[in-house]
Amino acid sequence: GAGVSQSPRYKVAKRGQDVALRCDPISGHVSLFWYQQALGQGPEFLTYFQNEAQLDKSGLPSDRFFAERPEGSVSTLKIQRTQQEDSAVYLCASSPRTTGSQETQYFGPGTRLLVL
Amino acid sequence: RKEVEQDPGPFNVPEGATVAFNCTYSNSASQSFFWYRQDCRKEPKLLMSVYSSGNEDGRFTAQLNRASQYISLLIRDSKLSDSATYLCVVNVSGATNKLIFGTGTLLAVQP
Repeated sequence: GAGVSQSPRYKVAKRGQDVALRCDPISGHVSLFWYQQALGQGPEFLTYFQNEAQLDKSGLPSDRFFAERPEGSVSTLKIQRTQQEDSAVYLCASSPRTTGSQETQYFGPGTRLLVL
Repeated sequence: RKEVEQDPGPFNVPEGATVAFNCTYSNSASQSFFWYRQDCRKEPKLLMSVYSSGNEDGRFTAQLNRASQYISLLIRDSKLSDSATYLCVVNVSGATNKLIFGTGTLLAVQP
């Protein structure tokens, strides 16, 4: 079946531009996560949705970062007034349920953002 | 101090070698433990979960020591296709189920 998809796969933005990154989770998956992976580092948690509710946004680095999942399926991560330090791979992951710490998270291919 | 610490490597080993990766975590409330594999410019994929009793999947063996807050991964008879970054991952108890990743250990298996 179809996995998690993300678009665009690559994005080049000029400093100060706004960008929007899209995630299509696996159909029916309740939980959706966004992670940021800088070069040479492991992914770092940004935010979590359970259906359409954003239950945890503790990882968002600044108020320039905003995420939504209005209908409980597709999610968009928006970054306003991009800065060079925002350059990273943005990974989306989904999992079927909300409970159980052993739940497998399935990752999308990521959006590689480069801010010039 | 990072919540999950790993030796970044690289580990350069010949085909057929046995290689071990170690990882420590700082949060004693961590509930679940995993090894993920990430190929160059690809997304992380679950390699295996790690249980206190230890678990094995083919050539891969994972161990967890809760008292020492230490996780290990052993790869036997390494193949060229094992070349990748291996990410140590923990899930701290709580409502979110967010994953905390280590920096990753780069393995290069050489012919």
